This record gives sequence, C-alpha cells and structure tokens, in this order.
Amino acid sequence: KAGVTQTPRYLIKTRGQQVTLSCSPISGHRSVSWYQQTPGQGLQFLFEYFSETQRNKGNFPGRFSGRQFSNSRSEMNVSTLELGDSALYLCASSLGEWDNKNIQYFGAGTRLSVL
Amino acid sequence: QKEVEQDPGPLSVPEGAIVSLNCTYSNSAFQYFMWYRQYSRKGPELLMYTYSSGNKEDGRFTAQVDKSSKYISLFIRDSQPSDSATYLCAMSGDNYGQNFVFGPGTRLSVLP
Repeated sequence: KAGVTQTPRYLIKTRGQQVTLSCSPISGHRSVSWYQQTPGQGLQFLFEYFSETQRNKGNFPGRFSGRQFSNSRSEMNVSTLELGDSALYLCASSLGEWDNKNIQYFGAGTRLSVL
Repeated sequence: QKEVEQDPGPLSVPEGAIVSLNCTYSNSAFQYFMWYRQYSRKGPELLMYTYSSGNKEDGRFTAQVDKSSKYISLFIRDSQPSDSATYLCAMSGDNYGQNFVFGPGTRLSVLP
C-alpha cells in the first residue's frame, strides 16, 4: 500500500508570492491534516479535511487555506508569503472515522524556503 | 501550560543503554496515544500506538500510558545508533473531529 505522498519536496519562493502544496493520502483514508513544523515552534496544526469539508482549524492566519477533492487528495495554499512561513509542511492522513483507530500517517513533507 | 509537555532533551546515551522518553498532558479527554520517530529532514514515522491506559511492547520498544497521572512514556531497550532521531509524542480524543496534539519532541543521540 502506497504511503502519503507530498509534492513538491522542495520549494523556494520570494516574499509576497503564493504557493500550493499537494498531498495524496493513503488509499482509503478520508481525513487529511496539514501541519507546519519549525525548529522553534515544533509541529503546529493548520487544518484538517474530511470528505471535502474542513473539519478542524488551527490558529493560523487566513493566508493559509486548503481544500480536499472527492478522491481525498488535498492541497494547501499560502498567499502573500512571509519570511516566517519558511518551514517543513507535513501532511498526514487517517481513516478519520470515530469508530476506527485514530492514527495519523505522515508524508515526507514539503520544505518551503521564503527568500 | 501547554496541552502536551515533553522532556526537552537533547538526550545523549551510549549504545546499549535503556532510554526513557516522557510526556505529560492536561486534557483528560485524550484516549489515543502515539509515539512518532522523525529522522532529520524526514516526516514523522509512527512507532507505537496505544488506546487508553496500559503497556504495549513491540520489539525493543515499550509504550506506557498512565491516564490517572496524565503521563506517557516510551522505553527503548538496547538502544542503537540508528535510534538517533527526534521522538514526538502525540495524542487525540475519542471524537473523530478532535485534533491531534503533538509534544515538542525530544532529540535522542545514541553514541556508538
């Protein structure tokens, strides 16, 4: 079974630009969560999508947005990039249903550098 | 107080040592407890999963959950240099909509 796939692996952007990251979950998983990881703040939750609907949201500004498609693939968009957005962005998938084991499986991440 | 606290590290031990990694939490609604291992520049990899209180063993790894004390631990026996990584504890509630919450991580170095 293929794992969680994130593309691209690396991105370099400049301040003010926007960026879109992609995540393909494990087959059969309906929940996709996005996290930002930095050395100072650790792993911070951005949002979670389940069946094409945002189910949970963390404390990030509106410049961070996402969506999920009918095949459970998800995209995350960051507009008007700031230097502080440089981070490893991780996607995690899970079955997402309450009567199943609630385990998240992570992709390798997209490393975003904002210059 | 943060929702999940973890021994800050970094932790350096000689090869073959027993390693104890610990997390405390404040939310009594947490029911699922996980340990992830993250190598440098990689995504977290699930190591252990426990539901509610108790112990779980998998090879050299043992996870313990004490819900009454809101304390979880991961023990690594006969530690190897390949165990050198950052270890993250994570937890979530019983409700499908509840967020996963991660500890800040403990960096472990096992010296040959």
